[in-house]
Amino acid sequence: DAGVTQSPTHLIKTRGQQVTLRCSPKSGHDTVSWYQQALGQGPQFIFQYYEEEERQRGNFPDRFSGHQFPNYSSELNVNALLLGDSALYLCASSLQLEALNNEQFFGPGTRLTVL
Amino acid sequence: AQTVTQSQPEMSVQEAETVTLSCTYDTSESDYYLFWYKQPPSRQMILVIRQEAYKQQNATENRFSVNFQKAAKSFSLKISDSQLGDAAMYFCAWTSGTYKYIFGTGTRLKVLA
Repeated sequence: DAGVTQSPTHLIKTRGQQVTLRCSPKSGHDTVSWYQQALGQGPQFIFQYYEEEERQRGNFPDRFSGHQFPNYSSELNVNALLLGDSALYLCASSLQLEALNNEQFFGPGTRLTVL
Repeated sequence: AQTVTQSQPEMSVQEAETVTLSCTYDTSESDYYLFWYKQPPSRQMILVIRQEAYKQQNATENRFSVNFQKAAKSFSLKISDSQLGDAAMYFCAWTSGTYKYIFGTGTRLKVLA
């Protein structure tokens, strides 16, 4: 049973560039959430996708956008990168029908460094 | 707004001893879930234990147990018979529905041989 996978593992970009991070949910899951984890901090919720639509968004600017595909995989896009966007980006998947269980399964993350 | 506070940035415990990690939260909702996640250097967040707010009985998973005090909005994690493999960052998290988790800032646990 494949867990949550993310690619790439590491990424280095320069200020002003754009980046796309990818996530494949755990087999059978239909909901994907993205989190930003700055060094030494807890993860911060960016947004969640279900049925290819953004359902809820955290306190992040419009430079952060996402997409969910029919196979439930998801992308996180960040435009006009800032130094402060350097962080570990975590993807978490869950199953909408088991919402009462509320468990999200996390991927290993993508480490983004902005120079 | 909901908040989760972990006031212990770092804790140390001798191997085979017991350690308790603290977590407090603030919410006006009556139904919610609380979690403890472990994040080792490999970065993968691993669920340690979960607690449904409507359940008065404290959750237990092998060597891990919680002390859930709903009125005090406290949710501490007790690790018994600590092992070297328990060394990691531990995050307390809150959620009330299908959407976002609210995480604390984490506690780094060191296990001393």
